[in-house]
Parts: sequence; C-alpha cells; structure tokens
Amino acid sequence: DAGVIQSPRHEVTEMGQEVTLRCKPISGHDYLFWYRQTMMRGLELLIYFNNNVPIDDSGMPEDRFSAKMPNASFSTLKIQPSEPRDSAVYFCASKPPGQGSGNTIYFGEGSWLTVV
Amino acid sequence: LAKTTQPISMDSYEGQEVNITCSHNNIATNDYITWYQQFPSQGPRFIIQGYKTKVTNEVASLFIPADRKSSTLSLPRVSLSDTAVYYCLVGDMDSGAGSYQLTFGKGTKLSVIP
Repeated sequence: DAGVIQSPRHEVTEMGQEVTLRCKPISGHDYLFWYRQTMMRGLELLIYFNNNVPIDDSGMPEDRFSAKMPNASFSTLKIQPSEPRDSAVYFCASKPPGQGSGNTIYFGEGSWLTVV
Repeated sequence: LAKTTQPISMDSYEGQEVNITCSHNNIATNDYITWYQQFPSQGPRFIIQGYKTKVTNEVASLFIPADRKSSTLSLPRVSLSDTAVYYCLVGDMDSGAGSYQLTFGKGTKLSVIP
C-alpha cells in the first residue's frame, strides 16, 4: 500500500521566495495533518483538515503560512515569503476514518526545507 | 491535553531489553497511550498503543499500571537498528474536534551500542 507521499523531499531556497510543499494522503483517510519539526521546538502541529476542510490552524506560525486541501487526495502548505527561520522538516500525516484507531496517524517521509 | 515526561536519552548495548518509562499524571479517562518511533531522516512511525494493563505486538510491549499515570515501553533484545527517538503521547483522537492536538514533545533518544 502506498503511504503518505510528500514532495519535494528536499528544497533549498533563498529568503523571500515562495515555497510550496505537497502531500498526498493515504487513500480513504479523512484527516490530514501538517507538522513542522525543528531541533529547538520538536514536532509541532501546524494545521489539520477533516474531509478537506481546515479544522484548526492555530499552530500556523503567521500569515506567511497557508495551507489548502482542494480534494481528498492532495494538500499544499505554502510559505510566502520564506525566511531562514522557516528552515525545518515539514511532515504531512493522515488518519483513517471512524472510531477505534485511537491516536494512530501515518506520516510521510517529510520535506526538508532550507531557506538561505 | 495530558502532558508527558520521558527521559531525554538512553543508551543500551545490543541484545539487552530496553524499558522507557513515560509519566502522564493528568491522563484523562478516555485517553489512549501511544508510542511512536522516529528514525533519522524519516517521519514518526506508530509502534504500539494501549489503554490499560499490557499490550504486546511484534515490535514491543507496553505496560500500563492500574492508575494509568505512567507507562513503560519495552523493547526486547535491541539491535543497532532500534536506534531512534521514541515518543510517548496520550490523548483520544477518536473523541472528535479539539482532540487532535497530539503533543509529541522531544521524545527519548535511544542509542544502541554494539
């Protein structure tokens, strides 16, 4: 089975440029999460969607960050303009529907972003 | 959301059993206790989850005392490939909106030594 697929795996960009990270969740999953991981802050939840609708974006650091989920199989996280402090690993994760799975979510391999 | 406390790091020799204990004094009645494993350059991976007593799967065992204020992840006979960060989380994502703010924290960095 295909897992959560993220692209690009690695990106190096200059400060001020727009960055778009992409995610394809596992088919049939109805929750999608975007996390950011840094050495200083660990793994932080940025935003999550349920059935393509954003439910909680309280973790999005500022207006430079935006996320969309136009359909059940695709989501983007955009940073515009990017800054060096945005350098981190960005993970997308998805969760299957229904009760019983508890706290089981499935992560992608991450997008490693470096802003210089 | 219940906060968890676990050791920052642990070292173990190959072949030994490793026990990582997590404290979660404020765990709620419906909360699950869930452990994830993260290898370098990879996303976290679910390894085991329980509610009470003991759970065992092909990877690990999870021991939960009656008061549920702590839990212990047990890895039998570790190998070098078990070197990873292990996260303990408590919560109940099945309880609906507002319950999805799972806090991963810094985890426990396990280093297995040959």
